[in-house]
Amino acid sequence: AQTVTQSQPEMSVQEAETVTLSCTYDTSESNYYLFWYKQPPSRQMILVIRQEAYKQQNATENRFSVNFQKAAKSFSLKISDSQLGDTAMYFCAFMKHGDNDMRFGAGTRLTVKP
Amino acid sequence: GAVVSQHPSRVICKSGTSVKIECRSLDFQATTMFWYRQFPKQSLMLMATSNEGSKATYEQGVEKDKFLINHASLTLSTLTVTSAHPEDSSFYICSARTGQGSNQPQHFGDGTRLSIL
Repeated sequence: AQTVTQSQPEMSVQEAETVTLSCTYDTSESNYYLFWYKQPPSRQMILVIRQEAYKQQNATENRFSVNFQKAAKSFSLKISDSQLGDTAMYFCAFMKHGDNDMRFGAGTRLTVKP
Repeated sequence: GAVVSQHPSRVICKSGTSVKIECRSLDFQATTMFWYRQFPKQSLMLMATSNEGSKATYEQGVEKDKFLINHASLTLSTLTVTSAHPEDSSFYICSARTGQGSNQPQHFGDGTRLSIL
């Protein structure tokens, strides 16, 4: 079974600073997908960024980028130039290729302070 | 694009009542929809996966007779919590996937907060 671990229950960062959220996972699969989702206080889950395991290049979406270390099974999210609207719960998720089951980590509550 | 609408957003009802939650994909056809449950300050737990026109696949420990799922069309899936009790109180979230294949992203609804008195 695949497990996803987010070791930081809560984090805070000053506006305009950079913050990194950590995520590790455990799997014996070689082909899979990793995701970071954001859940703001409004509750809707929003896809932030996605990484295919077969791609060595780290995914980037504007201010959001990942550091994907396949051998170490690590998938951290870096948020640059943090904005107040980035305040939310962030969930790391894993999904095996060809599967339907998305496994979520416990989440990291990020607060961006003005 | 890829908007998922969930209704109602909040339900408060008495113990023993059955509650139906709708999940609609507004601008795309969702061959697969997912139902999650989220307890306060916890992560999402997959309850079941439903494919249009076929029976839902339930995760281990989820009672299929308790949580009835119907996916009658490519844009609508419903979750009915039958004879709800206080322990069923939770936040229920649906998601829908466009097209076939796990490389397609899931799009989430706003969630339904269910409170059983």
